[in-house]
Amino acid sequence: SQELEQSPQSLIVQEGKNLTINCTSSKTLYGLYWYKQKYGEGLIFLMMLQKGGEEKSHEKITAKLDEKKQQSSLHITASQPSHAGIYLCGADGNNLFFGTGTRLTVIP
Amino acid sequence: KAGVTQTPRYLIKTRGQQVTLSCSPISGHRSVSWYQQTPGQGLQFLFEYFSETQRNKGNFPGRFSGRQFSNSRSEMNVSTLELGDSALYLCASGLNFRGLASSSSYEQYFGPGTRLTVT
Repeated sequence: SQELEQSPQSLIVQEGKNLTINCTSSKTLYGLYWYKQKYGEGLIFLMMLQKGGEEKSHEKITAKLDEKKQQSSLHITASQPSHAGIYLCGADGNNLFFGTGTRLTVIP
Repeated sequence: KAGVTQTPRYLIKTRGQQVTLSCSPISGHRSVSWYQQTPGQGLQFLFEYFSETQRNKGNFPGRFSGRQFSNSRSEMNVSTLELGDSALYLCASGLNFRGLASSSSYEQYFGPGTRLTVT
């Protein structure tokens, strides 16, 4: 069965720093989704990537799907406390399945 | 524009009972998808409806079912509740469903969830 591995599992950064979260699949990704979950704000859909090499941005968050379509990276530039939360990736396989999440803490 | 609403927000049921959860999508949205979130299993996809037809289905037993009405509102039903069904149930609405939309047009808006506790 297909699995999604997210790394790191948790991340603590100083405000203003850049960071990257990775989502790696054991099989080819046909659709890759990024979400953010924050207590009190619910689950937020960030973006969907489909094509190898595709790159999309949502405010200061940029995500890319690599050419081989087995890994996606999410990059946050100049992190802010508002970026804190749990980032989840999801992928289309036999059905839609999700990684276990990366918990991001941003220290002011 | 009103967001996605889910009712009820909290629910306590007993093992063996059945439960129905409701999701009202954003006006104009025709797709509604359902998810289960638990500390142990994380986020899992249940099913997705578009124009009253189930378009995608996750890997859940037949006790979990859903439907969508002509006004795009959706309900999901869980019969013969088990303790393991205790979870946060989320629904999301969108203009398109997975498989139809391209990455440039696909988006989802989530509701606040219904927290179900089975005792």
